[in-house]
Amino acid sequence: AQKITQTQPGMFVQEKEAVTLDCTYDTSDQSYGLFWYKQPSSGEMIFLIYQGSYDEQNATEGRYSLNFQKARKSANLVISASQLGDSAMYFCAMRSNFGNEKLTFGTGTRLTIIP
Amino acid sequence: DVKVTQSSRYLVKRTGEKVFLECVQDMDHENMFWYRQDPGLGLRLIYFSYDVKMKEKGDIPEGYSVSREKKERFSLILESASTNQTSMYLCASSLMGGRLGDTQYFGPGTRLTVL
Repeated sequence: AQKITQTQPGMFVQEKEAVTLDCTYDTSDQSYGLFWYKQPSSGEMIFLIYQGSYDEQNATEGRYSLNFQKARKSANLVISASQLGDSAMYFCAMRSNFGNEKLTFGTGTRLTIIP
Repeated sequence: DVKVTQSSRYLVKRTGEKVFLECVQDMDHENMFWYRQDPGLGLRLIYFSYDVKMKEKGDIPEGYSVSREKKERFSLILESASTNQTSMYLCASSLMGGRLGDTQYFGPGTRLTVL
């Protein structure tokens, strides 16, 4: 079984600072993918970034980067130069390369950017 | 752009009523998913479908059923709504057999209140 743990229920960060959202995972699979999603107050889930278990480089997408430490089973999201619009819920999720194509989600972190 | 729509953003029903939540996607995706989102619990998979008339139970199927008569439409049914089914319901779709990094695409969510 797969499990995602997000230990930070809420975070407050000053605008323009960098922020790291923690995500650890547990799986016995060797091939898997890790995803981060953003959910603003409007409710829609927005895909941010993806990291494959065999990817040697950490994924980056604009101001988002994923700090992937395979041995520690962690996949932290780093947002550089935070903006007020980054205030939202953030979910870490994973998917195995075997079997069905469902995602397993963590409990989420509510990020609030302070002006 | 992929579009996933859900029939209602907000719904209020009474205990014991039969409730239908509809989801439609326009990208010819084989996979469709129903999640339930509760504070502190993240997203939990209720049911998913990988083809017309095919369905598989997710992690919390009790009290729910689904129907997929057409490829683009996936319905979640609460046979007899109860107050503990008050929640946000999110539908998602994805391409079957795509790359491991292919994201699921989410609808805007339906916030259901059962009185």
